[in-house]
Amino acid sequence: AQSVSQHNHHVILSEAASLELGCNYSYGGTVNLFWYVQYPGQHLQLLLKYFSGDPLVKGIKGFEAEFIKSKFSFNLRKPSVQWSDTAEYFCAVIDSGGSYIPTFGRGTSLIVHP
Amino acid sequence: EAGVAQSPRYKIIEKRQSVAFWCNPISGHATLYWYQQILGQGPKLLIQFQNNGVVDDSQLPKDRFSAERLKGVDSTLKIQPAKLEDSAVYLCASSLQGTTNEKLFFGSGTQLSVL
Repeated sequence: AQSVSQHNHHVILSEAASLELGCNYSYGGTVNLFWYVQYPGQHLQLLLKYFSGDPLVKGIKGFEAEFIKSKFSFNLRKPSVQWSDTAEYFCAVIDSGGSYIPTFGRGTSLIVHP
Repeated sequence: EAGVAQSPRYKIIEKRQSVAFWCNPISGHATLYWYQQILGQGPKLLIQFQNNGVVDDSQLPKDRFSAERLKGVDSTLKIQPAKLEDSAVYLCASSLQGTTNEKLFFGSGTQLSVL
């Protein structure tokens, strides 16, 4: 079965600091990759996704993620975080050769101090 | 565009009682998902519907959990009887066709506390 690992469970940064959140998955075939975000008091929403083409994908609010197939990784980055980026971030994977079930990581809680 | 609607928002019950959650997906979305999110963990899929048929329910504890989507629109998830470990947020999500590159639209969830 597909598994998704997010190694950073809690991250605390000051505004303007750079951010990188790790995401690794287990399936070796074709995958579609997603980052979802949950702001305090709101529902989960899509931040960005990758399914083909340029492995560097850009999402909303200045976020980007790079798909590195050889490392089974899809890390999320932002060069300069803002207080409003405080949220829970979830990596998700759908493997195209298997169950097609969207599988989520356990999430990373990001707190940005003003 | 209206989002995914879920009710109730919160529910507190005692163990061995039963509980039901309701979800109305975005209009026209064929695929509906129920996820369980235990505190400190990521969402875990319980069941996935395509219209009114079940696509995957391999992680649904069928001895106590049941779900239906009779007319291919709204859905109900039931727990009977509830256990302490069922305390979690139950998320409903929908997508247009359920293809592998589609994003999911989530509801606000139902937070269940089993005492």
